[in-house]
Amino acid sequence: GESVGLHLPTLSVQEGDNSIINCAYSNSASDYFIWYKQESGKGPQFIIDIRSNMDKRQGQRVTVLLNKTVKHLSLQIAATQPGDSAVYFCAENIAGGSYIPTFGRGTSLIVHP
Amino acid sequence: DTGVSQDPRHKITKRGQNVTFRCDPISEHNRLYWYRQTLGQGPEFLTYFQNEAQLEKSRLLSDRFSAERPKGSFSTLEIQRTEQGDSAMYLCASSLGAGGQDTQYFGPGTRLTVL
Repeated sequence: GESVGLHLPTLSVQEGDNSIINCAYSNSASDYFIWYKQESGKGPQFIIDIRSNMDKRQGQRVTVLLNKTVKHLSLQIAATQPGDSAVYFCAENIAGGSYIPTFGRGTSLIVHP
Repeated sequence: DTGVSQDPRHKITKRGQNVTFRCDPISEHNRLYWYRQTLGQGPEFLTYFQNEAQLEKSRLLSDRFSAERPKGSFSTLEIQRTEQGDSAMYLCASSLGAGGQDTQYFGPGTRLTVL
């Protein structure tokens, strides 16, 4: 399944499928991006980050892709599990700036067993 | 648990009352941030500290809000004369302080309900 970010804030997938969560960022000067996962009743949890001099970075079961041309960021989760159910936020920042990331609206991922 | 902790986790108060929240950051972290989050939205920045110095405040931080970090360790956020619009989750985060690629680690938040 695929999310179009702000236009479809909820993504439902079956356990075992791959998930793709999209994010459009606003500031062309942003050069550092972070994905956070937030479970109900908890604070956001860091998942993975990427600098603007990269277009792809992989972690454990997660991959972040960055397309600076269209100011687009995506988070791919492989073999999605019920424990991945949460709201996912992207955040943008400017290295050497105010150190304050700007968070997007978020996408709710629901994984059905 | 060596993560960021916040106290209390939930606070219910009546309009007009004052409330104070506490945040204990990860021990070696120099920076501490406060955010507010409402349902369905991402965290909105309120203010941040570099050690004990409060370096930046958002326009969201009205005169009724004050934050301190007196010894560069824990921080408190006080809201005076609370209003119903103050109802939100108040999140604290801390980071080592390593430039713009500095990763913030969040606490569990304090959920404030103003009746």
